[in-house]
Order: sequence, then C-alpha cells, then structure tokens
Amino acid sequence: KAGVTQTPRYLIKTRGQQVTLSCSPISGHRSVSWYQQTPGQGLQFLFEYFSETQRNKGNFPGRFSGRQFSNSRSEMNVSTLELGDSALYLCASSLGGLGNEAFFGQGTRLTVV
Amino acid sequence: GDSVTQMEGPVTLSEEAFLTINCTYTATGYPSLFWYVQYPGEGLQLLLKATKADDKGSNKGFEATYRKETTSFHLEKGSVQVSDSAVYFCALRDTGGFKTIFGAGTRLFVKA
Repeated sequence: KAGVTQTPRYLIKTRGQQVTLSCSPISGHRSVSWYQQTPGQGLQFLFEYFSETQRNKGNFPGRFSGRQFSNSRSEMNVSTLELGDSALYLCASSLGGLGNEAFFGQGTRLTVV
Repeated sequence: GDSVTQMEGPVTLSEEAFLTINCTYTATGYPSLFWYVQYPGEGLQLLLKATKADDKGSNKGFEATYRKETTSFHLEKGSVQVSDSAVYFCALRDTGGFKTIFGAGTRLFVKA
C-alpha cells in the first residue's frame, strides 16, 4: 500500500513569488490535512479537507490556500512568499474519523530567499 | 480551544535508561490521543494511540495510558536504545474528528 506522497521534496523560491505544493493521500483516504513545521513554532495546523470540502482552518493569513480534488489529491498554495514562510510543509491523510490516525508524507522543504 | 502540552526537551538519556515524556491536554468531550515520532529528515510516524479513557496504547516497547481524570497521556519506555533518538509528538484528534492538534515535540537523545 503506497504511503502519502508529497511533491516536490525541496523548493527554493524568491520573496514575492508563489508556490504550489502537492499531496497524494493513501488510497481510500478522503481526509487530507496540511501542517507547517518550523523549529520555533513546531507543528502548526493549516487546514483540513474532506471530500473536496475544507472542514477546518488554522490561523494563517489568506496567502495560504488549498484545495482537494475528486480523487482526494490535494494542493496547497502560498502566494506572495515571505522569508518567514520557509519551513517544512507536511501533508497527512486519514480516513477522517475521530479515532483514525493521520499518516504523514515526508514533507516539502520550502526555502524562501 | 483544544491544546496539547508536553515537556520541553531535549531529553538526554543513556542506553537502557527509563524514559518518561509527559503530555497533558485540554479538550472538550472525548478526544483520541496519539504519540508520533519523527526521525531526522523524515515525516511523522504513528507510534501508538488510545481512543477512550483508560485505554493503553503500546508499540515497540513504548506505552501510554489515556488518563481522563488527569487529562494526561504520558509516554514511557522501560529501556531506551540509541535508535530511539528522535523527536516525539503528543497529539489529540478533536471530538469532531476534523483536526489533529500537536504538542511542541520533545527531542530525545540516547547515548551509547
């Protein structure tokens, strides 16, 4: 059973640019969540999608957006990049219920210069 | 809102020492509780979970018991190995099941 796949693994972007990150969940998983991981802030929840609907959103500015497609694949977009957006972005998929654990991808390391 | 608090690290132990990493939570209702582990350069992996009060999750020698009366889910291992060196995250999935909230993580170093 294939795991959660995130692409690309590494990205270097310039301030002011925009970036799109991709996540393919485990087959059969309809819930996809995104997290930002930084040394200072730990794991911060960005948003969660279930069956193409955003069910929950963290405290991030509107520059951070996402979507989920009918095949459960998800994309996350960050516009007008800032230096502080440099982080490891993790995607997790799950079946979506209360007791169901999240399975994480290896992440996309974004560096903004 | 819901939150998870875990002990700050880093924690440094010698091989075969006893490990405890404290975790407490604040949540309404009956969340599910998890411990995840992150090895260098990798994503998070589920270590163990518990879905109701008094449940004990266990895996690879690690254990944690869901204590509703103390809102705690402390991670323990009787004898750590060098290969256990990693960052450990305590987490809860809220009652609605829509969001998993993580603690700040505790880095563990195990010396040979």
